[in-house]
Order: sequence, then C-alpha cells, then structure tokens
Amino acid sequence: QKEVEQNSGPLSVPEGAIASLNCTYSDRGSQSFFWYRQYSGKSPELIMFIYSNGDKEDGRFTAQLNKASQYVSLLIRDSQPSDSATYLCAVEGFQKLVFGTGTRLLVSP
Amino acid sequence: ETGVTQTPRHLVMGMTNKKSLKCEQHLGHNAMYWYKQSAKKPLELMFVYSLEERVENNSVPSRFSPECPNSSHLFLHLHTLQPEDSALYLCASSQDLGNNEQFFGPGTRLTVL
Repeated sequence: QKEVEQNSGPLSVPEGAIASLNCTYSDRGSQSFFWYRQYSGKSPELIMFIYSNGDKEDGRFTAQLNKASQYVSLLIRDSQPSDSATYLCAVEGFQKLVFGTGTRLLVSP
Repeated sequence: ETGVTQTPRHLVMGMTNKKSLKCEQHLGHNAMYWYKQSAKKPLELMFVYSLEERVENNSVPSRFSPECPNSSHLFLHLHTLQPEDSALYLCASSQDLGNNEQFFGPGTRLTVL
C-alpha cells in the first residue's frame, strides 16, 4: 500500500467550477498535511497546510482534513485556467514529508 | 523566487563524468533536503541535513554524495551515474527539522547519457 495516494488524473473542470482534489494516507500518526502546486517544468510551491480536523480556507482554496478516515482534500473555487498544474499532497512522516504522485488539474476556458 | 536557488538549472553528463549540484537558501533555515523527481513517481527524499549534520540517507547509491558545509549551502556530488539517474533534482529547506513547511528551489534537470 502506498503511503500517500492520489489519483493521477487529469482532472478536467471548466473555468469557474469547483475543483476537488483528494488524498489518502496510511500513517495514522501523521499530524500535518500539505498541498503543493507544481506547474509544468517548475518546482513545487506550498499553497496550503492543515493540522486540525475540519476545514481551512485561504482565498479560493479550502483544505479539508478527516483524520479518522485518513483523508485530506483541496477544493479550488472559481477555478481559473492559471490553476492548471499538478497538485501534490504531502503528509508528515518522521522528520520528513512523504509525497503522493500528484493529481494533474486542467481548467478549460 | 522562493529564496532557494540551485545551479546549474540543466546538466547533461556522461556516465564517467563527475559533476556537482549546488543549492543555496537565503531564508535563514536550519534544515535542507535533496529530492529526486522522476516522471510518474512521487518525490523521493534522498538526503536530509539539519544544522549541517546529515540526519537521513534514504538508501541512496554511493554515486550520489552530499555535502553541507554550512546551513545555507548544500551540494550533491555526482560520479559514474547511470541513465536511470536522469531526473529533476530538487533542493528544499525548512526552518527546522521538525517544521515540515518546506520551500523548494527551481531544480536541476539532469540528463545522463
């Protein structure tokens, strides 16, 4: 079983729609969770982190965490073509981050 | 720019060459990391340094040799690489080892012929 699982996509949404990106993890002891955005040919950029169960909102982005289900998600409201990228979920391990393979998001005009 | 720089941005080398990748962070962080990113694979952590001391080596082949002379600089020395080592090599830093908010450099795209 992979430690951090993401659907590789691509997830295609029209401009203005809500994009929902999902991630499951295997380590029940993980306490912190991160979403990185990676444009093609660029390095990952941290966009959200969440430590507590529930929702955390930052502009058009909402991170959701459910530790009982070992599930973390990222919602992007009013999706824009500029949101088209690969979104990496990362989960705290022992003194390191464990990354998923990423979900490719395509937002069409 | 994220405050983490890497040079060179692109590198092509033969299997018998020796080269080095350089990373510098201007964020005052104490922890630095080397990752390898290959197509369709998750980011693979290679090495972790905290206050210039190596704290993790994820079973990386000895043809990759890290060096951390101070908390701002990190090197990855390469020798006798294989074509399957071709990948994007990313450096990252965080405030401390226990703080997982990591900031990445732009990466070095390495091609081994």
